[in-house]
Amino acid sequence: ELKVEQNPLFLSMQEGKNYTIYCNYSTTSDRLYWYRQDPGKSLESLFVLLSNGAVKQEGRLMASLDTKARLSTLHITAAVHDLSATYFCAVDPNNAGNMLTFGGGTRLMVKP
Amino acid sequence: GAVVSQHPSWVICKSGTSVKIECRSLDFQATTMFWYRQFPKQSLMLMATSNEGSKATYEQGVEKDKFLINHASLTLSTLTVTSAHPEDSSFYICSARERRRGNSPLHFGNGTRLTVT
Repeated sequence: ELKVEQNPLFLSMQEGKNYTIYCNYSTTSDRLYWYRQDPGKSLESLFVLLSNGAVKQEGRLMASLDTKARLSTLHITAAVHDLSATYFCAVDPNNAGNMLTFGGGTRLMVKP
Repeated sequence: GAVVSQHPSWVICKSGTSVKIECRSLDFQATTMFWYRQFPKQSLMLMATSNEGSKATYEQGVEKDKFLINHASLTLSTLTVTSAHPEDSSFYICSARERRRGNSPLHFGNGTRLTVT
């Protein structure tokens, strides 16, 4: 059974600080996704990582994938309040771009 | 970009009644759609895979007779919660991927918050 573990589950940080969210998974996969969810809302796609060593950046967020270590990271640079949300990583165990197994989520709160 | 529409956004129903949730891909075709359930402050759990023109595939522990899925066309999947009970109260989210784009991310609907009283 595929397990996807995120840590931390909750993160409170000051604006302007940097931090990294980790996503470990238990089976081989070359596809990993990061999503953002605001309270009461659905999921917004942030990054699609499709190969070992993939690195993508959008604004203050940067995601990377190490398939050998079965690890993805989401790095936050100079956090701002608008980044407050819950972030999920999700793994595609079949490498088919279809059904996903989600991590437990990291609830990020950025304090002004 | 690709849009997935879910309806209704929220619904309150009495125990024992049935509720139908629709998931539509508005500007693309999807042979496969996925239904997830999310309890408060928890992650998303895959309930079932909806296949156009064939039976849905349910995850272990999900009652297929309780959660009826119909994928009647390439743009519409429905989830019917039959004989709903308070423990079925949850946030239900559907997702779909564009049929011809192999590496595109799944697009998620806005979700349906179901409250069973």
